[in-house]
Amino acid sequence: TQLLEQSPQFLSIQEGENLTVYCNSSSVFSSLQWYRQEPGEGPVLLVTVVTGGEVKKLKRLTFQFGDARKDSSLHITAAQPGDTGLYLCAGARGSNYKLTFGKGTLLTVNP
Amino acid sequence: GAVVSQHPSRVICKSGTSVKIECRSLDFQATTMFWYRQFPKQSLMLMATSNEGSKATYEQGVEKDKFLINHASLTLSTLTVTSAHPEDSSFYICSADRGSGANVLTFGAGSRLTVL
Repeated sequence: TQLLEQSPQFLSIQEGENLTVYCNSSSVFSSLQWYRQEPGEGPVLLVTVVTGGEVKKLKRLTFQFGDARKDSSLHITAAQPGDTGLYLCAGARGSNYKLTFGKGTLLTVNP
Repeated sequence: GAVVSQHPSRVICKSGTSVKIECRSLDFQATTMFWYRQFPKQSLMLMATSNEGSKATYEQGVEKDKFLINHASLTLSTLTVTSAHPEDSSFYICSADRGSGANVLTFGAGSRLTVL
């Protein structure tokens, strides 16, 4: 079983603060994806990282894939209440679309 | 963009009845779809891989006779919860491969099942 350890599991911060969510594994993934899910909805893909050391930015969100492709992080700058949601990392191996999901990080940004 | 539609979005049923949930890829064909179960504030748990034209592949611990999966066409997979009980109440989500070759899946909006 390829486990993805995601931390923290819960995070409650004030608007304007920065935060980082981590996703770690002992296994190598061919790609890693980050999703955001709102209550009662399905996950929505934010980004896919493929290359070790890759950094992608999506407005105030910065995603990084570890050099060894075993870990990833999501950094949010100046969080806003609209960033509230469940953030999920998911890893894939090879061409198999069967994703391994982390346990998720429930983020609450208070105004 | 690729869209996956799930129906119904919410369903309430009595204990002992069966419930069918549909997952449709609206603007693309999907040979493989996935079914997940999600409990409140928790991550997605993969239940099974639905393969068009063949039997589904179930994850360990998931009862195939309890959760029947049919993938009769390239745009439709169905999950039937048979003889539902209150412990089957959950949020069920499907996803489909867009065929981009980058292991990117499109998720449905989920179906909330409540068994009374």
